[in-house]
Amino acid sequence: GAGVSQSPSNKVTEKGKDVELRCDPISGHTALYWYRQRLGQGLEFLIYFQGNSAPDKSGLPSDRFSAERTGESVSTLTIQRTQQEDSAVYLCASSLDSTSGETQYFGPGTRLLVL
Amino acid sequence: AQKITQTQPGMFVQEKEAVTLDCTYDTSDPSYGLFWYKQPSSGEMIFLIYQGSYDQQNATEGRYSLNFQKARKSANLVISASQLGDSAMYFCAMREKSGYSTLTFGKGTMLLVSP
Repeated sequence: GAGVSQSPSNKVTEKGKDVELRCDPISGHTALYWYRQRLGQGLEFLIYFQGNSAPDKSGLPSDRFSAERTGESVSTLTIQRTQQEDSAVYLCASSLDSTSGETQYFGPGTRLLVL
Repeated sequence: AQKITQTQPGMFVQEKEAVTLDCTYDTSDPSYGLFWYKQPSSGEMIFLIYQGSYDQQNATEGRYSLNFQKARKSANLVISASQLGDSAMYFCAMREKSGYSTLTFGKGTMLLVSP
């Protein structure tokens, strides 16, 4: 398909374990974003990549969270030493660029449950 | 202060009726964009409509229209001729030029369409 894809769809892990979430943006989209959505809440911005520029990490909640992106393709979000409050849906989005009018298209999300 | 306020936690509408979902925003940026997304129970975020702060006319996309009142800082979504498939969470979001990397989301409105 041509949309944003994410894997895994669901992840159950034990407290203290590390998890890696993957995002494949739409081909040709230079901007990539990660958001977190807790149950019944809106989306919280986590991190943003634009081309080869340094990422905007201003939304990462703690140093246990990190993300990487290879060029203008795949991104991985890593959560180290997971805590129960990390349980949420993690959504990835991409857009052609980062200008104010450019629409972000979202993937289906990864549902993370930390036991 | 919240940047995006959606005051209606839930709305009910009968099939074929029109419904308005409220959204007010707060920004000092002269250049910004306003977005509405739909999130059905499956979890994906579906882009519906976009309004730029300098756009002279209200945005329309099929059955969706955005009632943009700049002086009141409101960007209400109007869905005409509601369908059962419109039942979902609806999120209003803003992208400011100064922070153009991210979308700031409201808490959402749950819309239920009854036969």
